[in-house]
Amino acid sequence: DQQVKQNSPSLSVQEGRISILNCDYTNSMFDYFLWYKKYPAEGPTFLISISSIKDKNEDGRFTVFLNKSAKHLSLHIVPSQPGDSAVYFCAASDSGAGSYQLTFGKGTKLSVIP
Amino acid sequence: GAVVSQHPSWVICKSGTSVKIECRSLDFQATTMFWYRQFPKQSLMLMATSNEGSKATYEQGVEKDKFLINHASLTLSTLTVTSAHPEDSSFYICSALGPQSTDTQYFGPGTRLTVL
Repeated sequence: DQQVKQNSPSLSVQEGRISILNCDYTNSMFDYFLWYKKYPAEGPTFLISISSIKDKNEDGRFTVFLNKSAKHLSLHIVPSQPGDSAVYFCAASDSGAGSYQLTFGKGTKLSVIP
Repeated sequence: GAVVSQHPSWVICKSGTSVKIECRSLDFQATTMFWYRQFPKQSLMLMATSNEGSKATYEQGVEKDKFLINHASLTLSTLTVTSAHPEDSSFYICSALGPQSTDTQYFGPGTRLTVL
């Protein structure tokens, strides 16, 4: 059973427009969420995170929104740039479990078209 | 801060040999590190959790005698793939819990292993 789902395997966006990447989770114990960006043959790079006590966190062009009741989070990138083209992974953790493990979604490949 | 390195970045070996991959936290101490494996076009699969000074905790289905993990210091964890076979060819990535937030993992650049 996949506890973190990224239902869109790919997304294409025009440069300058907004990119919205979505993520759904099923485990109600998850209380910390992260987004990672990954280029081929490289390790993931941490982008932004959000705790369940918040519903929004912003860092420059990146904003993460959390809807706990819907068990849904999204990453907004605005304006999108060609360098943003990569695979984006959503990850979640249950900080109360004490294991610090992350559960990853399968990723969404973002292509920003110049 | 929170830089994680891996060495080597890629390795090619013959079937039956052993390969050691190092994961280092360069500017912080990491009591907990993780080892992942990524197959082509798939998500990251957690193999094991490595805690400094204690035995690693392996995920279900991961052979602990095949994938030896040693976390001998607060900045170094090693993964040794023993008696490698072609099916072990994969992209191996380590991560370390960040210095300021134990909820955030910082990843190394990965190691591409090819077993001939």
